Amino acid sequence: DAKTTQPNSMESNEEEPVHLPCNHSTISGTDYIHWYRQLPSQGPEYVIHGLTSNVNNRMASLAIAEDRKSSTLILHRATLRDAAVYYCILRNAGGTSYGKLTFGQGTILTVHP
Amino acid sequence: KAGVTQTPRYLIKTRGQQVTLSCSPISGHRSVSWYQQTPGQGLQFLFEYFSETQRNKGNFPGRFSGRQFSNSRSEMNVSTLELGDSALYLCASSLGGRKNSPLHFGNGTRLTVT
Repeated sequence: DAKTTQPNSMESNEEEPVHLPCNHSTISGTDYIHWYRQLPSQGPEYVIHGLTSNVNNRMASLAIAEDRKSSTLILHRATLRDAAVYYCILRNAGGTSYGKLTFGQGTILTVHP
Repeated sequence: KAGVTQTPRYLIKTRGQQVTLSCSPISGHRSVSWYQQTPGQGLQFLFEYFSETQRNKGNFPGRFSGRQFSNSRSEMNVSTLELGDSALYLCASSLGGRKNSPLHFGNGTRLTVT
């Protein structure tokens, strides 16, 4: 199974940009890169996903390396509400592993006022 | 639109018992997947159902089973509970038809095995 590697923790100041890295060197051609975040006592919340091209939505941006072996979630202006555990996930969309998810350990993001 | 609902929110069982957890997906979602979350192992995929068929399974023993009903609601069953089964069990739903439609998670069922 393709695995992801993320830093255990990162810190940021409020209103500053945050770049959360994820390595997935064994990614397959049919793996999509998904990001979710989890607040205490809640289930994970979808943030963004992509396959090859960079993606933007109202929550964040996803930058994917040309070789797809790494990606970066970008929060353009961190707020205190962005403090959470961020998971980088590979979601297979083909073959017999359709729908099977591989989770990283997650990055605990702390945002300082 | 109501989110994913999991019941019960908390559950305490003793070793050897069995337990059934319930998940009601977002209306219109046909895919339901289950995950186990523990401090030591993090989030681990259990299985995924689509249109009442299990289409993928994680690396868990046969004591963990599930099913999906025609209304897309899903149940997960764990038999012969062990202390190590204590965890947060999360359910997620998605449209399923679009291969990478986002997952919508419930807030989980906290299972404690004593």
